[in-house]
Amino acid sequence: AQTVTQSQPEMSVQEAETVTLSCTYDTSESDYYLFWYKQPPSRQMILVIRQEAYKQQNATENRFSVNFQKAAKSFSLKISDSQLGDAAMYFCAYDGSGYALNFGKGTSLLVTP
Amino acid sequence: DTGVSQDPRHKITKRGQNVTFRCDPISEHNRLYWYRQTLGQGPEFLTYFQNEAQLEKSRLLSDRFSAERPKGSFSTLEIQRTEQGDSAMYLCASSRESFGEQYFGPGTRLTVT
Repeated sequence: AQTVTQSQPEMSVQEAETVTLSCTYDTSESDYYLFWYKQPPSRQMILVIRQEAYKQQNATENRFSVNFQKAAKSFSLKISDSQLGDAAMYFCAYDGSGYALNFGKGTSLLVTP
Repeated sequence: DTGVSQDPRHKITKRGQNVTFRCDPISEHNRLYWYRQTLGQGPEFLTYFQNEAQLEKSRLLSDRFSAERPKGSFSTLEIQRTEQGDSAMYLCASSRESFGEQYFGPGTRLTVT
């Protein structure tokens, strides 16, 4: 079974600074997708960024970018120019089946003014 | 695109009672997913539908759980003879395709007393 590990239960960043959230995963598959989802307090989960394993280029979405290291099975999320609205729980997720997202336990991000 | 909706948002029930939750996916999405999220954990996959067909069920989905998606539109998740361990947030998501972005609803928070 695939496992997703987020080793940082909590992270803190100052507004306008950069923060990196870590994620590692375990799989024997060669083709899969990786995701970062954001879950603000009492609000629904939304997709931040998606990476296809067969693509070597790291995905970027505005202030959000990933560092995908396939051999190391590492998928970290970098948030640049952090904003107060970035405060949320961030979940790393693996999809090797095409239907079931396998989530990590999450990292709670606090953004301070 | 009105998003994924779930009803009710909160449900408190006594142990042993049956409960039913409803999920309305984004209208053009043919795939629908159910997840369960307990405190401090990431969501865990329960089951998914492609149109009206239930194609996969997790081992977490015990015999007391049943899900339906009549006519490939909305879906219901029923829990019979609820137990305290069933207390969790039940999330519904939908997507257009496999490995695509899953759009999540706000969830139904179940408390079993």
